Amino acid sequence: AQKVTQAQTEISVVEKEDVTLDCVYETRDTTYYLFWYKQPPSGELVFLIRRNSFDEQNEISGRYSWNFQKSTSSFNFTITASQVVDSAVYFCALSEARETSGSRLTFGEGTQLTVNP
Amino acid sequence: DTGVSQDPRHKITKRGQNVTFRCDPISEHNRLYWYRQTLGQGPEFLTYFQNEAQLEKSRLLSDRFSAERPKGSFSTLEIQRTEQGDSAMYLCASRKDGYYEQYFGPGTRLTVT
Repeated sequence: AQKVTQAQTEISVVEKEDVTLDCVYETRDTTYYLFWYKQPPSGELVFLIRRNSFDEQNEISGRYSWNFQKSTSSFNFTITASQVVDSAVYFCALSEARETSGSRLTFGEGTQLTVNP
Repeated sequence: DTGVSQDPRHKITKRGQNVTFRCDPISEHNRLYWYRQTLGQGPEFLTYFQNEAQLEKSRLLSDRFSAERPKGSFSTLEIQRTEQGDSAMYLCASRKDGYYEQYFGPGTRLTVT
């Protein structure tokens, strides 16, 4: 069975601070995908990134960066110089990587990030 | 591309009534998913379609729930004899073959009174 744990329920920072959201996962699959989604107050889940299990390169996109460490089963997300618009619930998710199956997403419980001005 | 759309956005119903939700996926996406999200939780998988075939159903999907995707285009999710525990956000997502990221619609928020 797959499981995703986001231990931080809520994080509050002041604008321009850096913040890291933690994600730890469990899976028996050798090939899988990891994702981060953002859910702003409007409610719609917005896809941010997909990472393949066989690619441990870290990724940077603007103020966002992701650190994937297979050895510790972690896929952490860092926002540099946070802004008020970053306030949202962030979800980490996991799926198997077999086209013959559905590859449903298994989500963590989310981390509510509040960035104060 | 237009995104995934869902209708209605909000639905208030009385316990025991039937409700139906609609999802229109992104046009070239042949895979469609339904999830349910309750307050303070992450979305939970309900069911999955590849084209018009419903290939996977969660244990969460009781007998009162049924989903269809005629002709592999839009999908409907029906809940019969609604209960207060059915109150949640129902999310639809789609993706295309070879791409594992799913794109979500705005959701339908169901309140059962």
